[in-house]
Amino acid sequence: QKEVEQDPGPLSVPEGAIVSLNCTYSNSAFQYFMWYRQYSRKGPELLMYTYSSGNKEDGRFTAQVDKSSKYISLFIRDSQPSDSATYLCAMETSGGSYIPTFGRGTSLIVHP
Amino acid sequence: ETGVTQSPTHLIKTRGQQVTLRCSSQSGHNTVSWYQQALGQGPQFIFQYYREEENGRGNFPPRFSGLQFPNYSSELNVNALELDDSALYLCASSIGGGNGPQHFGDGTRLSIL
Repeated sequence: QKEVEQDPGPLSVPEGAIVSLNCTYSNSAFQYFMWYRQYSRKGPELLMYTYSSGNKEDGRFTAQVDKSSKYISLFIRDSQPSDSATYLCAMETSGGSYIPTFGRGTSLIVHP
Repeated sequence: ETGVTQSPTHLIKTRGQQVTLRCSSQSGHNTVSWYQQALGQGPQFIFQYYREEENGRGNFPPRFSGLQFPNYSSELNVNALELDDSALYLCASSIGGGNGPQHFGDGTRLSIL
């Protein structure tokens, strides 16, 4: 079992839909949780950076962390064709040796 | 504000050769992390440099080595290239070492023949 599991998709939704992207993890020491968006032939772009459990909202994006279930989510409201990309979750422990761990990414397609 | 820049954008090498990839960090950032991203996979952490010292290393063999310079730019060196080293190599910069939001460059696409 990988430390971070993420369904690769593709996930295809119509424009305007609410998108839910998810990751599960096994390492209870993870304290920092990130979501990145990666367009084809580009580097990842940081969307959300959260610490510990709870919700964080930024515009159309909401990140949720449930540490008791070892489950994180990214919600995208009013999805647009320009949101079509691969979404990567990433996690870090606090203290000790720095070794961030990424999921494999979910491919999202928003069709007009 | 200048973002993270990487060079070259593409590179083709043969097995057994050595390669050096370069990264200029975002203005004001003193920490650089390197990642390997195979096709269809998430980035795999290679190592991080903070104040010119290695500050964490992933599960990569010693033939992957790096440097950080006083201006915070960085190099990734890979010796004795293998076919499995074909990947996108990403550099990310941040502030303060360890945890913290990272800003990525667009990577160097390395192909091994």
